Amino acid sequence: GAVVSQHPSWVICKSGTSVKIECRSLDFQATTMFWYRQFPKQSLMLMATSNEGSKATYEQGVEKDKFLINHASLTLSTLTVTSAHPEDSSFYICSAPLAGSYFYEQYFGPGTRLTVT
Amino acid sequence: AQSVTQLDSQVPVFEEAPVELRCNYSSSVSVYLFWYVQYPNQGLQLLLKYLSGSTLVKGINGFEAEFNKSQTSFHLRKPSVHISDTAEYFCAVGHNAGGTSYGKLTFGQGTILTVHP
Repeated sequence: GAVVSQHPSWVICKSGTSVKIECRSLDFQATTMFWYRQFPKQSLMLMATSNEGSKATYEQGVEKDKFLINHASLTLSTLTVTSAHPEDSSFYICSAPLAGSYFYEQYFGPGTRLTVT
Repeated sequence: AQSVTQLDSQVPVFEEAPVELRCNYSSSVSVYLFWYVQYPNQGLQLLLKYLSGSTLVKGINGFEAEFNKSQTSFHLRKPSVHISDTAEYFCAVGHNAGGTSYGKLTFGQGTILTVHP
């Protein structure tokens, strides 16, 4: 089956620093990946759509300068949280659809727990 | 606007009892429907999906769901639950509206299923 990995699985950083989270499709190519964040005991909220070779598109209310997305290859998308603050602490999850499939059928990574102190 | 409502935030049941987790959605276009399970501190695992065809879909771990277009529902069922089914379950809808919404999923608020011995 399609496998999506994320690295790191958890990270603790100090306020004001930047953190990079990687999302990889291990056994398939993904021209598009989606980034979500999930607060404790809440649902997933789509942050942005990452497109290989072009700029990411962000959902309303998401600061593009704070959450930098780079889709450098067909198997890798990165999310960089710049100048992180405690309110950015959350669970970040990426997903990717299989090319040629129903585009809505997505495979999710295991998530990255970010804690900003 | 599209929305997904999971009618129960928590569902406690005893082991080997049947369970139904309810999901309703609103959309003005055709939809694709999914149920995901999330174990603590993990990503989402696909349980089952409705893309087209038969409205009764079967998934992994003995779960099934029925797409009811007239009632805009996609309830998840299992005839006999196990302790290992304890987790949070998310209903998700992909709205086939094309354009910038292509591929995006809207998630419900989640239902925590707790199976007691």
